[in-house]
Amino acid sequence: DAKTTQPPSMDCAEGRAANLPCNHSTISGNEYVYWYRQIHSQGPQYIIHGLKNNETNEMASLIITEDRKSSTLILPHATLRDTAVYYCIVRPWDSNYQLIWGAGTKLIIKP
Amino acid sequence: GAGVSQSPSNKVTEKGKDVELRCDPISGHTALYWYRQSLGQGLEFLIYFQGNSAPDKSGLPSDRFSAERTGGSVSTLTIQRTQQEDSAVYLCASSLDPNYGYTFGSGTRLTVV
Repeated sequence: DAKTTQPPSMDCAEGRAANLPCNHSTISGNEYVYWYRQIHSQGPQYIIHGLKNNETNEMASLIITEDRKSSTLILPHATLRDTAVYYCIVRPWDSNYQLIWGAGTKLIIKP
Repeated sequence: GAGVSQSPSNKVTEKGKDVELRCDPISGHTALYWYRQSLGQGLEFLIYFQGNSAPDKSGLPSDRFSAERTGGSVSTLTIQRTQQEDSAVYLCASSLDPNYGYTFGSGTRLTVV
């Protein structure tokens, strides 16, 4: 079973920041938080990952709470093309571990 | 090519027939995964190839499912005696280092009628 809990859906206005929450209260010390997204009819796309420090790349920012029991993915200026299902996954830093996928959050960006 | 390529993109087959799904990973990626996704669901892990190591087959749902990876590159997922519950999108992903994320193909939509 997935070790994360996400809201099933969220709306965000175009041009605003989209903040997607994820709870992972049972996360272990060696587990990283990964975010992927899946745009309709496409394969999932890797976004970002982190352990305990906040991370930023060209796509998004990842904010992880100090106790690591939750995190937030931030899309700073959402566009219509960001409409997708966003998956938050925890996984050990080990190549042999698979990603265990939950149902994700359906993010709808509205004009 | 630049991405992970899967073929066919769509496949409709009759119940009981065998099907083969193909995945061309990104050149040089040693890790290759197969997942399947039923309508409205998250991804279900099927099988994982890493270099020359024995594949991790722990996700295959039955012995009707098998996969091979020839020469460390192209992979074929075979489903024998297809059933209606096999209908799903089958996704392939490859990676140079799985700790840094995977690249997925667009999938093969399999419909068993």
